Amino acid sequence: EADIYQTPRYLVIGTGKKITLECSQTMGHDKMYWYQQDPGMELHLIHYSYGVNSTEKGDLSSESTVSRIRTEHFPLTLESARPSHTSQYLCASSELGRGRGSNTGELFFGEGSRLTVL
Amino acid sequence: AQTVTQSQPEMSVQEAETVTLSCTYDTSESDYYLFWYKQPPSRQMILVIRQEAYKQQNATENRFSVNFQKAAKSFSLKISDSQLGDAAMYFCAYSSQGGSEKLVFGKGTKLTVNP
Repeated sequence: EADIYQTPRYLVIGTGKKITLECSQTMGHDKMYWYQQDPGMELHLIHYSYGVNSTEKGDLSSESTVSRIRTEHFPLTLESARPSHTSQYLCASSELGRGRGSNTGELFFGEGSRLTVL
Repeated sequence: AQTVTQSQPEMSVQEAETVTLSCTYDTSESDYYLFWYKQPPSRQMILVIRQEAYKQQNATENRFSVNFQKAAKSFSLKISDSQLGDAAMYFCAYSSQGGSEKLVFGKGTKLTVNP
């Protein structure tokens, strides 16, 4: 199995609370990603990072923020959670490829963090 | 923008039989990657198989193979000799070559394997 870990796996909190979803990988990958996945739906990219001090917003607008202070760590924070934030959040990482054929595109995923905001 | 369409929300197959999951995509690029990912219930999503668009030969990984039709923008997954452990959500995904490796996913197909 891939060496990428997410905590907590499940979280139920009240509206207005600040939460941080943790993601760590031990593979030394430069690229890391956060996807949001509603039940029975596709994954939508909300944040990504190409390395330390690099963060970009993804295709789906999100009120969450991320940071990348260390290569292995890519936490996601919601300053004030709302019921609309209820979803599963998947963290992933990949190697930084260069040149044709080296960009394999393979992502390694964590087990996900299922967030419920009441 | 690229889009990926999986027209089968659910599929079922008998154990030991063969099943094919469909995927179509839309892109104006000529060079890209296509993937099938498997997401078992409450477990990590893992890569099943990958196809480079510039390769004409269909990718194969043990019991898993693809039928890649570039002109038709079709990328189906065939699972042979289905096993109970194959039960999962299967996602088709697209990635630009030489880009940021941001994947565009389809909505997924839930595969049930009946004993």
